[in-house]
Amino acid sequence: EAGVVQSPRYKIIEKKQPVAFWCNPISGHNTLYWYLQNLGQGPELLIRYENEEAVDDSQLPKDRFSAERLKGVDSTLKIQPAELGDSAVYLCASSLGGPSVTPGELFFGEGSRLTVL
Amino acid sequence: QQQVKQSPQSLIVQKGGISIINCAYENTAFDYFPWYQQFPGKGPALLIAIRPDVSEKKEGRFTISFNKSAKQFSLHIMDSQPGDSATYFCAASLRGSARQLTFGSGTQLTVLP
Repeated sequence: EAGVVQSPRYKIIEKKQPVAFWCNPISGHNTLYWYLQNLGQGPELLIRYENEEAVDDSQLPKDRFSAERLKGVDSTLKIQPAELGDSAVYLCASSLGGPSVTPGELFFGEGSRLTVL
Repeated sequence: QQQVKQSPQSLIVQKGGISIINCAYENTAFDYFPWYQQFPGKGPALLIAIRPDVSEKKEGRFTISFNKSAKQFSLHIMDSQPGDSATYFCAASLRGSARQLTFGSGTQLTVLP
C-alpha cells in the first residue's frame, strides 16, 4: 500500500516568490494534516482537515499561507509571498477518521524541504 | 499548558546499551502519549504509544514508562543498535482530540557500533 506522497521533495526559491506543496494521503484516510518542522524541532501543526473541512487552522499564518483539500483527497499548501523564515520542512500526514481509530496514529510523508534565499 | 518538554537534545550510546529519553507535560487533559521515530530525510513514524491508565508498555526492545503523578513519561530502548540511530519525538494529545498531537522538540540518538 502506498504511503503519504508529497511533492516536490525539495524547493529553492527567492524571497517574495510563491510556492506550493502537494500531498496525496493514504487511500481511505479522511483526516489530513500539514505540519511545519524547523531544523532540530518537532513538527508543529499548521492545519487539519476532516474530509474537505478545515477543522483546525488556528496556527496557519493566514496572511501568506493558504491550503485547500478539494474533494476530500489531495491537498495543496501554498505560501505567497515566501519569507526567509519560511525555510523549513513541510510535512503532510494522514490518519483514518472515526472514533474507533487508534488515537495519535498519524502516517507522515517524507516532507517537502523549502529553502528561501 | 500545551507544551511537551523533551530531554536530552542529543544522546550517544554504545551498541548494546540502554537509551533513555524523557518527556514532561503540564496539561492534565493530555491522555495519549505516542513516541515517533524519524530517520534523516523521512517523515516521523509511530513507534509505540501509551495511555495514562497504565504505568508501562513494552514492545520488543522499546518500553514506555509513565508516571502520571509526576506528569512525566520516558522511552527506554534496550540493547540499543546502530540501526536505532534516529531522532525520537515524544508527543501528547488531548482527551477528545486524539489526533491533535503536540510534539516535543526531539532527541537525536546515535548508537555507536
